[in-house]
Amino acid sequence: KNEVEQSPQNLTAQEGEFITINCSYSVGISALHWLQQHPGGGIVSLFMLSSGKKKHGRLIATINIQEKHSSLHITASHPRDSAVYICAVSRTDSGGSNYKLTFGKGTLLTVNP
Amino acid sequence: NAGVTQTPKFQVLKTGQSMTLQCAQDMNHNSMYWYRQDPGMGLRLIYYSASEGTTDKGEVPNGYNVSRLNKREFSLRLESAAPSQTSVYFCASRVTRNTEAFFGQGTRLTVV
Repeated sequence: KNEVEQSPQNLTAQEGEFITINCSYSVGISALHWLQQHPGGGIVSLFMLSSGKKKHGRLIATINIQEKHSSLHITASHPRDSAVYICAVSRTDSGGSNYKLTFGKGTLLTVNP
Repeated sequence: NAGVTQTPKFQVLKTGQSMTLQCAQDMNHNSMYWYRQDPGMGLRLIYYSASEGTTDKGEVPNGYNVSRLNKREFSLRLESAAPSQTSVYFCASRVTRNTEAFFGQGTRLTVV
């Protein structure tokens, strides 16, 4: 079982819809990251959070530490939101693992006009 | 602001050739990382450098070497390229553990 699981793997939506992408993890963490990767493009950090909720424009990220679960929401989705969204965690293992990120496999979002 | 700069962006190698992927960051970050991204596998850590002067193996280090040349630069070397090393390679940096990560644009490497 992967230590970071994302769902769904693929998601197709119509422009304007509310989108939710989920991330569950099975290790102790100090922070969770949401990243965005457009097709053929680089990777951009959207959020880093260790508790509660963060909002940036139409994007909202929440985390429930007790349930080891995070969600990324996109309100009023737009075709330019089409991308792969990746969840990653900073682990609290001792030693070297503290410097590493463990990644989910990503969710491919397609927003149709 | 340049952020994290990787060179080259694209490369085709023949099996057995060697090459070095370059990565530089201008954000005064301590930690730097090399990942490979393959379809269906997600990002996997090849090597990382927690701070200048240190390097450590990640999940998939075989066939690679790294050099943390100074605080800004972290290079990845393929001594004898193999088709299994065909991938997209990303360099990343952050201030230290538990801080936001910044990624380069990636290097698309094909080994034939």
